Amino acid sequence: KQEVTQIPAALSVPEGENLVLNCSFTDSAIYNLQWFRQDPGKGLTSLLLIQSSQREQTSGRLNASLDKSSGRSTLYIAASQPGDSATYLCAVPSWGKLQFGAGTQVVVTP
Amino acid sequence: NAGVTQTPKFQVLKTGQSMTLQCAQDMNHEYMSWYRQDPGMGLRLIHYSVGAGITDQGEVPNGYNVSRSTTEDFPLRLLSAAPSQTSVYFCASSYGLAGANEQFFGPGTRLTVL
Repeated sequence: KQEVTQIPAALSVPEGENLVLNCSFTDSAIYNLQWFRQDPGKGLTSLLLIQSSQREQTSGRLNASLDKSSGRSTLYIAASQPGDSATYLCAVPSWGKLQFGAGTQVVVTP
Repeated sequence: NAGVTQTPKFQVLKTGQSMTLQCAQDMNHEYMSWYRQDPGMGLRLIHYSVGAGITDQGEVPNGYNVSRSTTEDFPLRLLSAAPSQTSVYFCASSYGLAGANEQFFGPGTRLTVL
């Protein structure tokens, strides 16, 4: 069974610092990996989708890397802003569904 | 495009009542699914559908029914609500199978069962 782990569970940084969020998965035979953002009381917003053939994907200040062999993905957020405060979840497909990590709760202080 | 829409946003039920959570998407996605999100449990798949007329169970299907008569709509029915079904429910859709393509989520329905 695919298991997805996100460490740390919570992270607090001052504005301007770079954020590094980690995601690990146990079964490396994945089609892709998706990163989501969830604001309190809101739904999930897709940030990046990395295909299994890709090593990284970029969107603005966000960069996600994927290393299938080691079962890891990292989401980098450059020059963090208070508006980046949210919970970030990674997910991988597993038997017809997305298997989610528990998320990393990020607080960016002004 | 409205994307994935869900109604209602909030609902309070008494134990034993039934109700239907609505989900619709306007992206012509084949795949639709329902998740519930609980503190400490993360997101868990309830039911999913790979196209009109085709549904299947997910990880936690007990107490829920689904049907898919059109590509656009995928309602979730609670037959006899129980306090254990208090949760936040999310509907999601994608083109093709889950995981093959980007998944889009609705804003959620927050359900409380007393």
